[in-house]
Amino acid sequence: EAEVAQSPRYKITEKSQAVAFWCDPISGHATLYWYRQILGQGPELLVQFQDESVVDDSQLPKDRFSAERLKGVDSTLKIQPAELGDSAMYLCASSPLSGGVNTGELFFGEGSRLTVL
Amino acid sequence: QKEVEQDPGPLSVPEGAIVSLNCTYSNSAFQYFMWYRQYSRKGPELLMYTYSSGNKEDGRFTAQVDKSSKYISLFIRDSQPSDSATYLCAMSRAQKLVFGQGTRLTINP
Repeated sequence: EAEVAQSPRYKITEKSQAVAFWCDPISGHATLYWYRQILGQGPELLVQFQDESVVDDSQLPKDRFSAERLKGVDSTLKIQPAELGDSAMYLCASSPLSGGVNTGELFFGEGSRLTVL
Repeated sequence: QKEVEQDPGPLSVPEGAIVSLNCTYSNSAFQYFMWYRQYSRKGPELLMYTYSSGNKEDGRFTAQVDKSSKYISLFIRDSQPSDSATYLCAMSRAQKLVFGQGTRLTINP
C-alpha cells in the first residue's frame, strides 16, 4: 500500500540550530501539504503545494521557515533558527486532487517529531 | 474563539459501549465535514466525510451533521480496545481544512 514517507521520525536539536524535514508523497499526488501539530492540538497548515508551486503559505513563519518542492515530487521543510516554541510534530500529507481537502482525501505520513532544547 | 471547538477529553469507556464524540463550529461557510483517527505517534487517517446535514453510516461508525446548530458528531457502536486513539474533527471552507483539537479516547477491555 502506498504511503507518504517522512524523515527523520524524531529530531532533537538545540535552539538556534537549523533543522530540515523531508517528505516523499504518494506517487502521482500533485498536492502536498505540511502541517504542524503541537501536542494536544489539531494539525495546522503551514504550506500547500500544487506540483512545484506554492498555493498557500499564509501561516508559514517566513522569517525562519522555508519549504520547497523543486521537481514537484518530494519536499523539504526547513527551520532556521529553531526556537523552543517550534517543538511539535511536523506532518506531511498528499492528495491526488487539489480539492482533496473537501473530501478529506489527505493521506498523512507518520510525522517528524521535533524537540527543541 | 476558535472556529472549531472540540472537547479534548480524555474520554474513557468500557468495551462494547457506544461512544459519542462532538464538535461545534462558528463559521457557517464550512461545507465539508470529516472525522480523522490518530493513533499515538502516527499521522491522522480519514474515517468518514460528509457534505450535507444528516447521518452517514460506515460499519460501527456513524457521522452526524447538523448545520442549523453548527454541530457534528461521531458515534462508535460496540467500541473495541483497538478504537483507542485521538479523534479529530475537521471541516473545510474555501479549500482550507480546519481541525478541532482532538478528543483522546480510551476503550477499556
